[in-house]
Amino acid sequence: DQQVKQNSPSLSVQEGRISILNCDYTNSMFDYFLWYKKYPAEGPTFLISISSIKDKNEDGRFTVFLNKSAKHLSLHIVPSQPGDSAVYFCAASVYGGSQGNLIFGKGTKLSVKP
Amino acid sequence: EPEVTQTPSHQVTQMGQEVILRCVPISNHLYFYWYRQILGQKVEFLVSFYNNEISEKSEIFDDQFSVERPDGSNFTLKIRSTKLEDSAMYFCASSPEQGRQPQHFGDGTRLSIL
Repeated sequence: DQQVKQNSPSLSVQEGRISILNCDYTNSMFDYFLWYKKYPAEGPTFLISISSIKDKNEDGRFTVFLNKSAKHLSLHIVPSQPGDSAVYFCAASVYGGSQGNLIFGKGTKLSVKP
Repeated sequence: EPEVTQTPSHQVTQMGQEVILRCVPISNHLYFYWYRQILGQKVEFLVSFYNNEISEKSEIFDDQFSVERPDGSNFTLKIRSTKLEDSAMYFCASSPEQGRQPQHFGDGTRLSIL
């Protein structure tokens, strides 16, 4: 049951360039999407979210894009920094009906090289 | 910045024993969650808790598991008669309200069943 898919297990990017992390989902009932960053031995840290009524949300270097027709979202990090190296999880939830429990993707390990 | 704290960071238990994992959610949050991540797999929802009762639980959360908010600050997950397959990272999370609010995670408890 892979309602949320992150098909790239890893991504390597040069410092200063753009990092683009992708996520696909299958459940059309999802209406809230989040990106979390995780360092080893730490819990997921909330980065940015987007509701289904929007197609873009920006916070500093991080921008999330949502394409509902394609059931696809992406996280853009510009410019990428070595400290961004971590595992990035996409998560989705259904407002109300399921009390907001999150369905996670498997994660993409981002490596930003100096 | 307020954070979710979890204790212990690592718990080693003999198979068949009971274990209690503890969490202190962010103080003004109303919704509490437990997730787990088996090594190499996705973060999976276990249970959500609101107003002193379970809001929703996954198929994983069977009679072996229970949650409790014994006082105004702690939120616990009890696993009775642990099995080898219960070995995982267990994450506690909290959010100020359901729906379009991000959940904030603790750093997790690594549970090792021998």
